[in-house]
Amino acid sequence: NAGVTQTPKFQVLKTGQSMTLQCAQDMNHNSMYWYRQDPGMGLRLIYYSASEGTTDKGEVPNGYNVSRLNKREFSLRLESAAPSQTSVYFCASNTNSPLHFGNGTRLTVT
Amino acid sequence: GQQLNQSPQSMFIQEGEDVSMNCTSSSIFNTWLWYKQDPGEGPVLLIALYKAGELTSNGRLTAQFGITRKDSFLNISASIPSDVGIYFCAGPLNTGTASKLTFGTGTRLQVTL
Repeated sequence: NAGVTQTPKFQVLKTGQSMTLQCAQDMNHNSMYWYRQDPGMGLRLIYYSASEGTTDKGEVPNGYNVSRLNKREFSLRLESAAPSQTSVYFCASNTNSPLHFGNGTRLTVT
Repeated sequence: GQQLNQSPQSMFIQEGEDVSMNCTSSSIFNTWLWYKQDPGEGPVLLIALYKAGELTSNGRLTAQFGITRKDSFLNISASIPSDVGIYFCAGPLNTGTASKLTFGTGTRLQVTL
């Protein structure tokens, strides 16, 4: 009964470092999404994957890349982290249903 | 950018009071969703609305899909401490193969005893 699992839960990076945020879902959902949450701005869509093998940009894709590794997994990569990418990142999934969210990764870039 | 405006941004209420919040958009939406986010967790769906004028309840929560399709309202009756959290409205960015959502800025609710 895990749902959407995100790792790590917390991460601190220095400017210029790279890292990959991992997301896996066990609900056999077709679509997966990455959102970022910033104070006073709600959640904004970074990238999404409508189905295995496809990815598309959301509202705020700059500075990020994604990989839909298989139906279960959708990773988000920061190649060169910037302080503006300090945020809480949420992965979500669905198939013709409202989104199911993970518990987030809190990322700080110094 | 953001298309949904929520108000109020935050509210402090006493346990037992009723709560009202709303969400407005510059665009027409065909679906309105209300999510709640508990501290340290991801948002969880509370209520989904699919038709203009629709009024739907989930326990002490009632949400309405505005007639103009540009707004929605969420009411919580007889609030309790576990109602604390951030409430988000959301609607689809566009129709397509994926249900991309745009979210409101959130209403932070704090309940005092």
